[in-house]
Amino acid sequence: DAKTTQPTSMDCAEGRAANLPCNHSTISGNEYVYWYRQIHSQGPQYIIHGLKNNETNEMASLIITEDRKSSTLILPHATLRDTAVYYCIVRVSILTGGGNKLTFGTGTQLKVEL
Amino acid sequence: GAGVSQSPRYKVAKRGQDVALRCDPISGHVSLFWYQQALGQGPEFLTYFQNEAQLDKSGLPSDRFFAERPEGSVSTLKIQRTQQEDSAVYLCASSLAGLEQFFGPGTRLTVL
Repeated sequence: DAKTTQPTSMDCAEGRAANLPCNHSTISGNEYVYWYRQIHSQGPQYIIHGLKNNETNEMASLIITEDRKSSTLILPHATLRDTAVYYCIVRVSILTGGGNKLTFGTGTQLKVEL
Repeated sequence: GAGVSQSPRYKVAKRGQDVALRCDPISGHVSLFWYQQALGQGPEFLTYFQNEAQLDKSGLPSDRFFAERPEGSVSTLKIQRTQQEDSAVYLCASSLAGLEQFFGPGTRLTVL
């Protein structure tokens, strides 16, 4: 799986949009971008994933650049409960016969403040 | 509905003791994963089951680590002769056929 690079930490004011960047310049054509987050003392939680089109769900939006070398996770209205470590992961889809495991980096510690 | 559960949530062991960590996946999930998370680090893959078959154990750090899932549901991760470097949070995750993984709360193992 391709390697990802994320900032170590970010701060965001409550109610504002949180934009978390991720670089994955060596991503292959059959690799998806996944985002998970881990709130303190909990297991990681799936947020969203995409291949090349932008994606949106009830939790967040995922913007992938046209060359797919980077992406941004957007939390439109951050709350204190969004304080967590956010992991950007690149992996091959199981549907194409790829591996199943997730390769986590160290992620971005997002701190949402009043 | 019920999520992935793990027990115990906390375990303290003396160096050299054997420990067994249990994972109850979401009902019907065929895939089950174990990860190890050291303090301040992201989770690292240990092993993967599809039903009762252990398809990947490439992440197990030594032969002291053993995992099983005999009936394709509950899984146990066993660590023999624990060492201080085994201290970590052990996370279990399950999924439906390669879709997103759902994680349990983890078991925090402390080896004294």
